[in-house]
Amino acid sequence: DVKVTQSSRYLVKRTGEKVFLECVQDMDHENMFWYRQDPGLGLRLIYFSYDVKMKEKGDIPEGYSVSREKKERFSLILESASTNQTSMYLCASSFHGISGAYNEQFFGPGTRLTVL
Amino acid sequence: AQTVTQSQPEMSVQEAETVTLSCTYDTSENNYYLFWYKQPPSRQMILVIRQEAYKQQNATENRFSVNFQKAAKSFSLKISDSQLGDTAMYFCAFMSPQGAQKLVFGQGTRLTINP
Repeated sequence: DVKVTQSSRYLVKRTGEKVFLECVQDMDHENMFWYRQDPGLGLRLIYFSYDVKMKEKGDIPEGYSVSREKKERFSLILESASTNQTSMYLCASSFHGISGAYNEQFFGPGTRLTVL
Repeated sequence: AQTVTQSQPEMSVQEAETVTLSCTYDTSENNYYLFWYKQPPSRQMILVIRQEAYKQQNATENRFSVNFQKAAKSFSLKISDSQLGDTAMYFCAFMSPQGAQKLVFGQGTRLTINP
């Protein structure tokens, strides 16, 4: 079974803290994604990576950065957490595959982050 | 840019009834994929069903089926013989097969199946 794990289910941080959310996948996937989930807004893409040390901005990258030093691990970084970053964060991964062919995204269980 | 719209924030039906969740999308592409994901209280996103835009036949997975209207850019999910375990958030999503294959999600519909 494909497994995508996230370092914490629940996390509480203070405003201004540096926050690391970790995601690890065990299927040798090239692509990894970070989404943010908010009520009434669905999931929105923050950043994604299609290879080690490669990253691209998604739809809402402001206030976030990412790191991918190893193929299996993709980290989301909040340099200085703010209350408006209180949210559910979901990681996903997929094969890159052949352009035009479908590659399923597999999701982690999510981290619910509260910034006080 | 693609957009996905789910206009039903919440729905509630009785067990064993049939329920239809609506989804519309906007794209200028001709080839793409559409999905319905289920997110139960455990928060684990589960792929329910997938539709390729180039296929005219509507996808079916057991009790789940879709009504794909490409010209109208509509993609609804029908759940037949609903069960208590179908209670979840349901998200409609779009994917272009080119590039990094990012998912674009709708706002979600919270479905409750009542006993």
